[in-house]
Amino acid sequence: GQNIDQPTEMTATEGAIVQINCTYQTSGFNGLFWYQQHAGEAPTFLSYNVLDGLEEKGRFSSFLSRSKGYSYLLLKELQMKDSASYLCAVMDSNYQLIWGAGTKLIIKP
Amino acid sequence: GAVVSQHPSWVICKSGTSVKIECRSLDFQATTMFWYRQFPKQSLMLMATSNEGSKATYEQGVEKDKFLINHASLTLSTLTVTSAHPEDSSFYICSARDLRGPGDTEAFFGQGTRLTVV
Repeated sequence: GQNIDQPTEMTATEGAIVQINCTYQTSGFNGLFWYQQHAGEAPTFLSYNVLDGLEEKGRFSSFLSRSKGYSYLLLKELQMKDSASYLCAVMDSNYQLIWGAGTKLIIKP
Repeated sequence: GAVVSQHPSWVICKSGTSVKIECRSLDFQATTMFWYRQFPKQSLMLMATSNEGSKATYEQGVEKDKFLINHASLTLSTLTVTSAHPEDSSFYICSARDLRGPGDTEAFFGQGTRLTVV
């Protein structure tokens, strides 16, 4: 079956760095997405990786290793507004998005 | 990025009535639209996938006669919750993609609709 695993919850301190991991097993691979979702709101797009390596976008970076079925989202210089759920999703061979359960990130002052 | 508009943002209805939720792609043509529901503190659950001009494909366990999906044009899909009951209260979210050609395969999300059935 298809499976996306990510930690349920993480806590970090304002100004620090946090890495949210995601491992996947899917039928085919057409890219991995990271979305941010604040409570009561729809997800917003953060990043898309289809080739191995690191993609940097401001304070957020995303890494992919296809051979390991592994990705991480790196958040630097954490701000209180970064408190949210972070969803990992993989597009399979049918171009369907397979979603992880999300990681709730709690930022403390 | 592309814009997907979902309406209404929130709705309260009486048990037994029907509610229609609209999802529009404003600046691109959405060949495929996805409808999700999300319960508090849970991940997105795909309900159905609709392709323009054809019948929607429902996920296992989703009642197609209860959740009517129409995708009559490349810019509009609707989800109608028929004979709503309190257990249908949830956050419903649509997303849209244009899969016809090369380019960004990102899924663009609507703002979501908070449905409360009383």
